[in-house]
Amino acid sequence: GNSVTQMEGPVTLSEEAFLTINCTYTATGYPSLFWYVQYPGEGLQLLLKATKADDKGSNKGFEATYRKETTSFHLEKGSVQVSDSAVYFCALSDRDTGNQFYFGTGTSLTVIP
Amino acid sequence: EAGVVQSPRYKIIEKKQPVAFWCNPISGHNTLYWYRQNLGQGPELLIRYENEEAVDDSQLPKDRFSAERLKGVDSTLKIQPAELGDSAVYLCASSTRGRLSGNTIYFGEGSWLTVV
Repeated sequence: GNSVTQMEGPVTLSEEAFLTINCTYTATGYPSLFWYVQYPGEGLQLLLKATKADDKGSNKGFEATYRKETTSFHLEKGSVQVSDSAVYFCALSDRDTGNQFYFGTGTSLTVIP
Repeated sequence: EAGVVQSPRYKIIEKKQPVAFWCNPISGHNTLYWYRQNLGQGPELLIRYENEEAVDDSQLPKDRFSAERLKGVDSTLKIQPAELGDSAVYLCASSTRGRLSGNTIYFGEGSWLTVV
């Protein structure tokens, strides 16, 4: 079956630190991979996505590369800001299951000045 | 362009009472989803519509939950009667036609339900 596993949080970093949030997946077909971000009191917003192996998604300084050989889609940012404090969700969608989305449990990030 | 609109944003009800949530998807989006998100967890699918047809409702607790999307646009999710364990955020999302690879879903801000 399809599933997503994220590193457990919470993660606390100082401003300008390097961020990595690990995500691995299991899929029966050829999934598309996503990172969504949820700020306090809000819904989920798309951060970036990649639709095939070796694609790199990027947005707002965040990057993630679709690694089929390691079934991973780790989120990285070189220098985090206080405004990046949020919960980050890794997700996959699989066309073979009608593009049903599968979400990880989320990783809470707090950036301190 | 307006995003996914949900109402109410917040609702507090006593157990055994009914509650309903409304969602208006992004214009032109054929696929509509209802998710439930418990505190500290990721969203879990309750039901997915393609136009007015419910194509995946396997995770919807049908004894107390119901949903409809009569004209293939806006949708209502109802809980009757509510239980304490139903306290969660109910997220509506929409996307263009579901068969495309890499299709992105867009979420509303959620309806935050507290059952007391």
